[in-house]
Amino acid sequence: AQSVTQPDIHITVSEGASLELRCNYSYGATPYLFWYVQSPGQGLQLLLKYFSGDTLVQGIKGFEAEFKRSQSSFNLRKPSVHWSDAAEYFCAVSLGNTGKLIFGQGTTLQVKP
Amino acid sequence: DVKVTQSSRYLVKRTGEKVFLECVQDMDHENMFWYRQDPGLGLRLIYFSYDVKMKEKGDIPEGYSVSREKKERFSLILESASTNQTSMYLCASGRELFFGEGSRLTVL
Repeated sequence: AQSVTQPDIHITVSEGASLELRCNYSYGATPYLFWYVQSPGQGLQLLLKYFSGDTLVQGIKGFEAEFKRSQSSFNLRKPSVHWSDAAEYFCAVSLGNTGKLIFGQGTTLQVKP
Repeated sequence: DVKVTQSSRYLVKRTGEKVFLECVQDMDHENMFWYRQDPGLGLRLIYFSYDVKMKEKGDIPEGYSVSREKKERFSLILESASTNQTSMYLCASGRELFFGEGSRLTVL
């Protein structure tokens, strides 16, 4: 069965430090992969997506993610974290290009001043 | 910008009440979805729809039904609310999922 795993439930980084959030997926075919961010009390906002082509994708707010087929991973990175990046981050895989997504459990990011 | 609007941000209902959660999108998307979000469980798909009057069960449809009479509107219905349906409900539309701000439902 398809699944998405975010191994880190909670991560704390200092402002200005680099960030990497991990995501592993289990899916038989070529996946469509997404990262979303959710601020407290809000809906989810799309950060970036991978459908095909270049395995390093750029998103909004300075985020990027790299698709590694051999590792079944799609990790999210940011070179320098800002206090406003504190939020919950969700990785998701789509079953075909349908919008029917399976989400990971989420990683909560805390940013220390 | 795509806008997905959920009619109620916060609701408090009693056990056994019928609850309607409304969602409207303004981008002519064919696909619409209802997810439930609970701490530690992430988002779980309740129902989705690929067209007017069409619906398909997601992973946790029990206790819920949906209605899609018009393309822009997708309603989630709790026929008889129970306390274990206390949760955040998120509506989304499109192939890349544009989300509404969520409806936090408390069932007493």
